[in-house]
Amino acid sequence: AQSVTQLGSHVSVSEGALVLLRCNYSSSVPPYLFWYVQYPNQGLQLLLKYTSAATLVKGINGFEAEFKKSETSFHLTKPSAHMSDAAEYFCAVSETGGFKTIFGAGTRLFVKA
Amino acid sequence: KAGVTQTPRYLIKTRGQQVTLSCSPISGHRSVSWYQQTPGQGLQFLFEYFSETQRNKGNFPGRFSGRQFSNSRSEMNVSTLELGDSALYLCASSGGTGTEGYTFGSGTRLTVV
Repeated sequence: AQSVTQLGSHVSVSEGALVLLRCNYSSSVPPYLFWYVQYPNQGLQLLLKYTSAATLVKGINGFEAEFKKSETSFHLTKPSAHMSDAAEYFCAVSETGGFKTIFGAGTRLFVKA
Repeated sequence: KAGVTQTPRYLIKTRGQQVTLSCSPISGHRSVSWYQQTPGQGLQFLFEYFSETQRNKGNFPGRFSGRQFSNSRSEMNVSTLELGDSALYLCASSGGTGTEGYTFGSGTRLTVV
């Protein structure tokens, strides 16, 4: 069965600092992995996705994530945080033929001026 | 192109009533998935429809049901509402492979009193 664990329900960084949001997954087959962002009172927006083409995936708004099979991880990073990055971030996993995406509990990112 | 449209945006219902929520996917998308989002449980998968067929469903009671029409629009229905059904209900559309990622609507905020 597939599952996702996000380490840290809240992460706080200073503006301009590195953003690192952690995600570990469990899947019985090669997974498809995603990061989504949710701003208050809105739906989720796809940031990036891993579909086995490349282990380092670049997404929108300067975010990227690296797939590490040996660590079953898919951590999200951004070199320099901006105030507008403050939001909740969700890691998610999907399997071919499952027609279901499982989401992690989410990590709320706070950015301090 | 137009995004995923969910109506209504907000709903207040009384315990015991029933409610129907609507979702219009992105043009050309044949898959619609529904999620319930609450602070305590996070994002929980309800069901997924593709070409009017339910391909997967989550662990929700039978009071939660859905359907999809030939134009890919989808509705979900909750009967005999309980206080615990208060949540943000999110609709997500995709091409249907289950691996390309979702485009989410802004959600319907249901409050049961």
